[in-house]
Amino acid sequence: AQKVTQAQTEISVVEKEDVTLDCVYETRDTTYYLFWYKQPPSGELVFLIRRNSFDEQNEISGRYSWNFQKSTSSFNFTITASQVVDSAVYFCALSEAMGNSGGSNYKLTFGKGTLLTVNP
Amino acid sequence: ETGVTQTPRHLVMGMTNKKSLKCEQHLGHNAMYWYKQSAKKPLELMFVYSLEERVENNSVPSRFSPECPNSSHLFLHLHTLQPEDSALYLCASSPALGRYNEQFFGPGTRLTVL
Repeated sequence: AQKVTQAQTEISVVEKEDVTLDCVYETRDTTYYLFWYKQPPSGELVFLIRRNSFDEQNEISGRYSWNFQKSTSSFNFTITASQVVDSAVYFCALSEAMGNSGGSNYKLTFGKGTLLTVNP
Repeated sequence: ETGVTQTPRHLVMGMTNKKSLKCEQHLGHNAMYWYKQSAKKPLELMFVYSLEERVENNSVPSRFSPECPNSSHLFLHLHTLQPEDSALYLCASSPALGRYNEQFFGPGTRLTVL
């Protein structure tokens, strides 16, 4: 069975600090996709990024960056110069084939999430 | 309306009530999902529909009954719920069920069962 582990349950930082959220996954698939979502207090999960298992280039989007290391099965997320608005629960997810679909239908397996609190 | 909408946003019901949660997606997607999010628990996938056909049912109690009349609408009918069913119920949609498809979520319905 596939698994996504976000070992950090809660992180608290002061504004302008950099913070890294860890994600470690387990899969037997050779091709897979990894995702990060943000869930602010309003409740809605917001899609942040999707990464193909064949693409190990790091990605940067503004203050956000992602480090995908296939060798260690990790897909970590760094927020540079954090802001109060970054306070949210962040979820890492992995695509997983649904049972009985013969590998044609996929769902997301989510980690338990990391609650990030950025204090002013 | 854009994206994925859910109504109501908050619902309080007694254990003997019958209510329904509604989800609508305006993205032209073919797949829709119901998730349950309880405090301090991971997201639990409840049901998956693709082109109005149910493709996954994760051992959800029969007091939860989904309905997908078309690819834009998804309902979750609730009856004789238990207090432990109190949670945030999230609806999501995706273009299809491929492994690369990201899901787009609605704001959720906060359900309290008394």
